[in-house]
Amino acid sequence: AQTVTQSQPEMSVQEAETVTLSCTYDTSESDYYLFWYKQPPSRQMILVIRQEAYKQQNATENRFSVNFQKAAKSFSLKISDSQLGDAAMYFCALRTQGGSEKLVFGKGTKLTVNP
Amino acid sequence: SQTIHQWPATLVQPVGSPLSLECTVEGTSNPNLYWYRQAAGRGLQLLFYSVGIGQISSEVPQNLSASRPQDRQFILSSKKLLLSDSGFYLCAWSVLDSFYEQYFGPGTRLTVT
Repeated sequence: AQTVTQSQPEMSVQEAETVTLSCTYDTSESDYYLFWYKQPPSRQMILVIRQEAYKQQNATENRFSVNFQKAAKSFSLKISDSQLGDAAMYFCALRTQGGSEKLVFGKGTKLTVNP
Repeated sequence: SQTIHQWPATLVQPVGSPLSLECTVEGTSNPNLYWYRQAAGRGLQLLFYSVGIGQISSEVPQNLSASRPQDRQFILSSKKLLLSDSGFYLCAWSVLDSFYEQYFGPGTRLTVT
């Protein structure tokens, strides 16, 4: 069974600083996808970034980047130049190839951005 | 562009009453559709998913059911609500050519009293 673990229930960062959110996962598959989703106070889930396991290069989307360590099964999210609008719950998710079409989510990390 | 709608946004229902939550997707064809529940302070739990009309897979045993009467319509139902059914319900869709990421609707907050 696939599992996703986010060990930091809460994190805080000063505006304009950088913060890293941790995520580890477990799967027996060799080909899979990893995602970070953001859930602001409005509660709508927003896709932040995606990483294909077969790609060695870490994904980057503007101020958001990941550190994907496949051997260690680690997938952390780095937010640079943090903004007040980055305050939200962040969820790490795993999707494996084949089988059922579903994502396994971690329990989330609540990020607070201090002005 | 694709959009996903859910209604109602908020619902308060007494224990034992029926439930019907609706989700519709626009701008795409033959999407995979999903129902999730999020309890307070928790992650998302997949309840049902569908890869086509009339095709429903259930992930957890419960008193909820799902139906997909049309390609882009997904309905979550219950004949008799329990207190434990309270939570935030999210609908999502995905298609194969989008690398399997899922796109979520605005959600429905259900309170069972």
